Amino acid sequence: QQQVKQSPQSLIVQKGGISIINCAYENTAFDYFPWYQQFPGKGPALLIAIRPDVSEKKEGRFTISFNKSAKQFSLHIMDSQPGDSATYFCAASLSFSSNTGKLIFGQGTTLQVKP
Amino acid sequence: DAGITQSPRHKVTETGTPVTLRCHQTENHRYMYWYRQDPGHGLRLIHYSYGVKDTDKGEVSDGYSVSRSKTEDFLLTLESATSSQTSVYFCASSRGTGWETQYFGPGTRLLVL
Repeated sequence: QQQVKQSPQSLIVQKGGISIINCAYENTAFDYFPWYQQFPGKGPALLIAIRPDVSEKKEGRFTISFNKSAKQFSLHIMDSQPGDSATYFCAASLSFSSNTGKLIFGQGTTLQVKP
Repeated sequence: DAGITQSPRHKVTETGTPVTLRCHQTENHRYMYWYRQDPGHGLRLIHYSYGVKDTDKGEVSDGYSVSRSKTEDFLLTLESATSSQTSVYFCASSRGTGWETQYFGPGTRLLVL
C-alpha cells in the first residue's frame, strides 16, 4: 500500500513535443506529491509539487495533473527541450499529516528529448 | 542549491568490511535522510533523522545504522558490507515537513566486491 508505480520506464520525445509521465498510488492518506528531476551524476532536485485538494498545478512548461478518485497523477512537460533530458521521479508522502517527511518514490522515467 | 556535501564520492570496498558515509549540510536543517538509488527501484529511504540524536528506520534499513551527533552531520554505516549494498547513496535534508523541500546531495557511489 506504500508503493508508487511510475510509467513509462523510458520516453523519447521530439523537441517541441509534450512529454507525459504517469504515477499511481494506493495509500489515500498521502497528502503531498512532488516530482523530482535528476541529471546524470547529480542528486535529484525538486521540480514541482501538488497537494490532493487541487486537480492541476502549473509552473512554466511543467504541469501536474492530479486525479484523486483514480489515485493517479501525472507530469506534463510542454514544448519539451533537449535540456529537459533527465530522469524524472514522482513521489508521495504524508508530509502534512506526519512529522517525518518520508518520501516514497516511483521507479523513475528516463526522458530523452531529440533535437 | 542547499549546501549539502557527501563524502566519499566514490568507494570500493570488500564484503564484510564496515563502511561509513558522511553527509554534511550547512543549512541548519532539522531533517536529514539517507536514500539508496538502484535501477528499477527509484530511491528508497534507509534511515532518517528529525533532530540531533533522533533517528528512525526507513523502508530498507536492514544492515545499516545511522548517527547524528550534530545538526550538520548525518552518518550512515554499513556494519558489514554485502554485494547487495552496492548502490548510489544520496543524503537529503529539509527545514521541516509540509511544503518544505528536500534538498539532495551529489551522491556516493559504493561498490562492494
